[in-house]
Amino acid sequence: AQKVTQAQTEISVVEKEDVTLDCVYETRDTTYYLFWYKQPPSGELVFLIRRNSFDEQNEISGRYSWNFQKSTSSFNFTITASQVVDSAVYFCALTNFGNEKLTFGTGTRLTIIP
Amino acid sequence: GAGVSQSPSNKVTEKGKDVELRCDPISGHTALYWYRQSLGQGLEFLIYFQGNSAPDKSGLPSDRFSAERTGGSVSTLTIQRTQQEDSAVYLCASSLADRGAGANVLTFGAGSRLTVL
Repeated sequence: AQKVTQAQTEISVVEKEDVTLDCVYETRDTTYYLFWYKQPPSGELVFLIRRNSFDEQNEISGRYSWNFQKSTSSFNFTITASQVVDSAVYFCALTNFGNEKLTFGTGTRLTIIP
Repeated sequence: GAGVSQSPSNKVTEKGKDVELRCDPISGHTALYWYRQSLGQGLEFLIYFQGNSAPDKSGLPSDRFSAERTGGSVSTLTIQRTQQEDSAVYLCASSLADRGAGANVLTFGAGSRLTVL
């Protein structure tokens, strides 16, 4: 069975602070994909990143960075110099190779205080 | 269209009534997905279409739920004899399905909020 745990239900930080959203996953498969999606107040989930299980390189995209560690089954997401527009619910998700069903975590609601 | 379009955006119905939720995917996207987002359960997979066929309908919670897709485009999710526990936001997503299964990036609609009184 697959499982994604986002232990942080809600986080609030002051604008310009850095913030890390945690994601821990469980799967018995050796080939899998990990995703992060952002859900702003409008409701539409927006894709942020996809990672496959063979690629443990960390990735940086502007103010966003992701740390994938298979040894701890974690795929954490860091926002540097946070902005008010980053306020949203962030979901981590997992799927196995050959399977179209995404297993989502329960999400982390991030509030950036101006 | 430019994005995934869902209708209605809000639906209030009485317990026992049937409801239909519509999803219009991005033109050219062959894969279509339905998810349900509720307070107690987070985001749950319901069904996946590739073209007009549904290889995976394992997430449909009961036989009151059904979905179809016609012309490889529009999909309708039908809930019969609605119950209060069906109250949730129903999200539709589509994908080009240009990667291997599991790797596809989904584009989501804004959802249909269903309230069963």
